[in-house]
Amino acid sequence: QVQLQESGPGLVKPSETLSLTCVVSGYSISSDYYWGWIRQPPGKGLEWFGSIYGSGSTYYNPSLKSRVTISVDTSKNQFSLKLASVTAADTALYYCARQYTIKDAFDMWGQGTMVAVSS
Amino acid sequence: DIQMTQSPSSLSASGGDRVTITCRASQTIRNYLNWYQHKPGKAPKLLIYAASSLQSGVPSRFSGSASGTDFTLTISSLQPEDFATYFCQQSYSAPLTFGGGTKVEIK
Repeated sequence: QVQLQESGPGLVKPSETLSLTCVVSGYSISSDYYWGWIRQPPGKGLEWFGSIYGSGSTYYNPSLKSRVTISVDTSKNQFSLKLASVTAADTALYYCARQYTIKDAFDMWGQGTMVAVSS
Repeated sequence: DIQMTQSPSSLSASGGDRVTITCRASQTIRNYLNWYQHKPGKAPKLLIYAASSLQSGVPSRFSGSASGTDFTLTISSLQPEDFATYFCQQSYSAPLTFGGGTKVEIK
C-alpha cells in the first residue's frame, strides 16, 4: 500500500528557509510518477508548488518559483520542498502527493503537516 | 493561470439527499478536471478524474460530468460518511489550480 508522510519543523522564523520532506513507502519514487507539493493556508484554498519526476525533472508554479526548490532522493525514497524567505503568509498546511503525469490527478496524498511562520 | 470557481462554498444537506457541486474554469480545460474529498486530519481522497471517471474503490453514488467549462460533482444519495469538504482541480495546464472548496454539512 502506497503511503506518503510529510515531516517538517512545525515552526519557522520569518526570512528563514522552510524545509519539508515527504517519505514514500510502498512504491519506488524512481518509478514513473510525479511527486508534488501543495499547501493550504488557514481559511484559504489550495496552492500547488510544483511536481518532480523520479529522474529529477520538475514543473514549478511560476508565482512561487523564485523561492522554491523541489528535489528527490531516490536512495531514501523521499522528496523535499525548500521555500526560502518565508513570511507569515507561508503559514499553511503542507501536503505531498503523487500524480502519474503532470496532466493527471493526484491519486495519493499525505495527511499534511502544519507549518507556522512566526518569530 | 486558470481560475477555478467552485460553488457553493458550503451547503447543508440530510442523509439521502442528492447533492450537486459545481466548478467553472476560466478557460477551456477540456476534461482535465478532478474532484477530491477531504476530511479534517486526513489525506485528501481522489474521487473523480478526467471529469467523469470514477477512481477505483469510490462508491458509485459519486459521479462527475462536464459541459464546456462547467463541471459538476454529484452525490446521488448522501451518506453519513460523505460529510466533508470537496474540491476540484484542473490538470490541463501548469500552474495546476484548485477550486475554493465546498463544505458539506449536516442539516
